[in-house]
Amino acid sequence: DQQVKQNSPSLSVQEGRISILNCDYTNSMFDYFLWYKKYPAEGPTFLISISSIKDKNEDGRFTVFLNKSAKHLSLHIVPSQPGDSAVYFCAADLTGTASKLTFGTGTRLQVTL
Amino acid sequence: DAGVTQSPTHLIKTRGQQVTLRCSPISGHKSVSWYQQVLGQGPQFIFQYYEKEERGRGNFPDRFSARQFPNYSSELNVNALLLGDSALYLCASSLFPVMGGNQPQHFGDGTRLSIL
Repeated sequence: DQQVKQNSPSLSVQEGRISILNCDYTNSMFDYFLWYKKYPAEGPTFLISISSIKDKNEDGRFTVFLNKSAKHLSLHIVPSQPGDSAVYFCAADLTGTASKLTFGTGTRLQVTL
Repeated sequence: DAGVTQSPTHLIKTRGQQVTLRCSPISGHKSVSWYQQVLGQGPQFIFQYYEKEERGRGNFPDRFSARQFPNYSSELNVNALLLGDSALYLCASSLFPVMGGNQPQHFGDGTRLSIL
């Protein structure tokens, strides 16, 4: 049972444009959400997170939006840069549990010139 | 500051053998978690340790075990290796627990385990 889903396996965006990566979850108990970026042969790198008490969190070019009623979150990257090309994973966690992240299957983002 | 370090980076084993993977967390981090990532999938949670105690376990067989040492480093052991154990094994560390909420986990570059 896939509790965190990333339905788009790949996304291609032109440099300078906005990249929007989507993630859906089914477990309403999740209350902490994270995005990680992964390059080949490296571990996932933490990008940005959001607690369920918020609906938006920004960090530079990265913004995460959370819609709890729809059990949906998205990552916006503006403007997109070629160095953003990587696989992006959405992950969810439960406050007070054993830091057990549940990951989606990832979206491969390609930023073209 | 050094990030999470894992060793070895690559490992080749045959079916039935046993393997030990090692992880050193970021300085000051007391929580270590282990994940398995197979090709085309997201990482799957195996274990979490905090203060040398197991605090969480994923849906993995008893062939998988782990421990945490007084310096907060950790080892993951897998016995009776199967072909299906071929994967990238990731270690992550975090500040846990933290007053007021969660802290993100930070990952090492993983150990690539291949079973022949």
